[in-house]
Amino acid sequence: AQSVTQLGSHVSVSEGALVLLRCNYSSSVPPYLFWYVQYPNQGLQLLLKYTTGATLVKGINGFEAEFKKSETSFHLTKPSAHMSDAAEYFCAVRDNTNAGKSTFGDGTTLTVKP
Amino acid sequence: GAGVSQSPSNKVTEKGKDVELRCDPISGHTALYWYRQSLGQGLEFLIYFQGNSAPDKSGLPSDRFSAERTGGSVSTLTIQRTQQEDSAVYLCASSFEPKGVYGYTFGSGTRLTVV
Repeated sequence: AQSVTQLGSHVSVSEGALVLLRCNYSSSVPPYLFWYVQYPNQGLQLLLKYTTGATLVKGINGFEAEFKKSETSFHLTKPSAHMSDAAEYFCAVRDNTNAGKSTFGDGTTLTVKP
Repeated sequence: GAGVSQSPSNKVTEKGKDVELRCDPISGHTALYWYRQSLGQGLEFLIYFQGNSAPDKSGLPSDRFSAERTGGSVSTLTIQRTQQEDSAVYLCASSFEPKGVYGYTFGSGTRLTVV
């Protein structure tokens, strides 16, 4: 079975500082990887995805993530944090069965301080 | 519709009662998923529908939980004899691609509180 580990359930940064949210996965086959963002009282919104090809993927709101197979990682970064980035972020890996379901990490809450 | 629609947005029920949660996916999306999000935890897979195939029910936590999808569109998640541990946000998602390769579009969820 696949699994996802998000290191740090809470991350706090100052406005304008680098955002780094860590995600490691386990998969016996090349994975499909995703980051979702959840704002308060809303559903999850797809931020970016890695399927195949370029290992550095860019998403919405200035976020990007790099797939590193050797490290089984898919960390999410943003060069300069905005107050509006405060939310919960979930990393997910697509299950390698035919079902298409994804396994999600426990989430990381990002706080942005003024 | 423009997005995934879930109703009701909030539901408070008494322990032992049955509840029905509804999901209306994006038109044309063939795959539909139900997940549960408990307080402070990640998402727990419940069930997956794809076209006319038999649903993947491997995530349903007990036989009190069931779901159906009528006409390949609207889905209803039913919880019988609700327990306090069923309190959570129930999220529905859909995808146009059946294998979930490109990610999901989620609804805003139904917050279920069992008292």
